[in-house]
Amino acid sequence: DAGVTQSPTHLIKTRGQHVTLRCSPISGHKSVSWYQQVLGQGPQFIFQYYEKEERGRGNFPDRFSARQFPNYSSELNVNALLLGDSALYLCASSRGWLGTELREQYFGPGTRLTVT
Amino acid sequence: KNQVEQSPQSLIILEGKNCTLQCNYTVSPFSNLRWYKQDTGRGPVSLTIMTFSENTKSNGRYTATLDADTKQSSLHITASQLSDSASYICVVRATSGTYKYIFGTGTRLKVLA
Repeated sequence: DAGVTQSPTHLIKTRGQHVTLRCSPISGHKSVSWYQQVLGQGPQFIFQYYEKEERGRGNFPDRFSARQFPNYSSELNVNALLLGDSALYLCASSRGWLGTELREQYFGPGTRLTVT
Repeated sequence: KNQVEQSPQSLIILEGKNCTLQCNYTVSPFSNLRWYKQDTGRGPVSLTIMTFSENTKSNGRYTATLDADTKQSSLHITASQLSDSASYICVVRATSGTYKYIFGTGTRLKVLA
């Protein structure tokens, strides 16, 4: 079975531009979470979606938005890019809602975004 | 403020040696604590998960311990291998209706031949 897939793997954008990152969860998983990992830091939670509804949001500005599609894939959108948005963006999928105690998350390889 | 702090920031050991990584957290109340291994440029992979009532959990050469009273956890790696070179991240899940997982900054381990 395929794991979590993300596209693109690498992306270079300039300040002020908009970017869309994509994630396909493991087959049968209905929850997708997005994380931002700046170089040398741990991942920071951005969003969690379950059954196409937002179930959690981290401390990120409104320039960050996401959605989940009927096939449970997800997009993360970032508007008006800043240099500080340069990071590895990780997607994680889970079979159910992460509010459940021990639900396991499986991470994708990430998308490396560089803003110049 | 909920925080997860890890030490050391980086560690270099020789192949075959043991090592212990530390995680201190202030997240309260919390429901579970996880250790992940992250290879460079890859997504994290789960090693262990412990609830607040568990003291230890093993996964092969990896053994995690948890002291919920002192809010400390450790990850012990036995007989290290070159493939253990990676970042090890401690993650604490808060309860009280939040869905956020709070990640530590990780310990970067390098195993030398």
